[in-house]
Formats: sequence, structure tokens, C-alpha cells
Amino acid sequence: DVVMTQTPVSLSVSLGGQTSISCRSSQSLVHSDGNTYLYWYLQKPGQSPQLLIYKVSNRFSGVPDRFSGSGSGTDFTLKISRVEPEDLGVYYCYQGTHYPYTFGAGTKLELK
Amino acid sequence: QVQLQQSGTELVKPASSVKISCKASGYTFTSNYMHWIRQQPGNGLEWIGWIYPGNGNTKYNQKFDGKATLTADKSSSTAYMQLSSLTSEDSAVYFCARGTGLLYWGQGVMVTVSS
Repeated sequence: DVVMTQTPVSLSVSLGGQTSISCRSSQSLVHSDGNTYLYWYLQKPGQSPQLLIYKVSNRFSGVPDRFSGSGSGTDFTLKISRVEPEDLGVYYCYQGTHYPYTFGAGTKLELK
Repeated sequence: QVQLQQSGTELVKPASSVKISCKASGYTFTSNYMHWIRQQPGNGLEWIGWIYPGNGNTKYNQKFDGKATLTADKSSSTAYMQLSSLTSEDSAVYFCARGTGLLYWGQGVMVTVSS
């Protein structure tokens, strides 16, 4: 199985600040069709995960431009700028390239 | 708007089975994959598998082979997951999610396995 390693496990950030989360995969996530199926989700307390970024760098509908994704191959990053209270929760990366699809273990974003 | 409405909390006995549902609305049910994901207490997320309601094709995480069975009813736009031979390890929240990329998620169903 493809192992998705997220770092750090937790982050403490000030409101209005900037931060980033790393996600590394044990294999390249480039699919044979040329796409890279790497996604980012936020799970707020007591809620279902919600999609933020699809295929590495595309913001999902309604996601503010404070969120940005980048990377390629096996190394990916989610950046959050101008952190707001509603950004707090657990962030997960997920790969949909290789079966079985797998998630990172999560990064908890908390207020400093 | 897209909605995935899942069935309610389940309390079930060990060795039994449970079938949970995910009713879709706001999009073409038969043209989108439906994925199922498990979240054990305090843990992260595990992908269980998908079903394509248009033709009933399925793909499972090998870990859940024999544990989970995915079906879909086109007439009611509802996807189902049956979990069998339940043990305490199956106690978790189970989510359905629409499409490649898991664009939209149901609210989750908490399944508790206890005697």
C-alpha cells in the first residue's frame, strides 16, 4: 500500500498567520493517465471531512484562496495563509492513484 | 445542491451484520462513483472501496474483502454498505463520499459493536 506521511502531527498557529503541511508518499502519485490524484481535506470537530484541494493544486468550489496546494511526484504541500478560526481542525492528504487508496494520518491545526 | 444523507446510529452485537445507507440527491447518482470510508475512534481515515451505481461495479480495499459489501439501488438513488461478522474492531464511523476525489461526504454513521 502507498504510505502517506504527513508532517507535522500538530501545528500551533496565530490567527492571521501562515503555515504549511507536508505530505510525502512512498510511491509517485502520477497516474498512468498523467494525472496526480492527490487531495487535501479538512475535518472540523464533529464534522465530516470536506474537500479543499483536488489534484495537487486546484481549489474546490467555495474554498478561499488562502488555501493553496503544490508539489509533484511524491512530495506535496498545503499552505494556509491568513489563518482564521474556521480553519482549525485536522487536515488529511489522500491519494487516489494507487489501490488501495490511502490517507495520511492527519495534521491537527490549533490556535496558539 | 448535492446531499448525501446517511442512516442513523447502529448498536449491534458481535458476530452480527449491519447494513447502512447513503441516499444521494442533487446530482446524477448513476454517473458518479460512491466511496466508503471508515474512521475508528480517535483514528484517521481508511478507504473501504467504491461502487459505480450505473453498472454495479465495485472495487474493495483488500483489507475489507469479506467484511464489506457495497450495493446500490438506482430507483431510490441509495448506496448501501453491509458489514458482516462484526467485532469490536468494526466500531467506527462510516462515511459515504461522492466521486473521484471524494467531493462531498455524508454525515457519517456511528456503528458500535457491543454485547
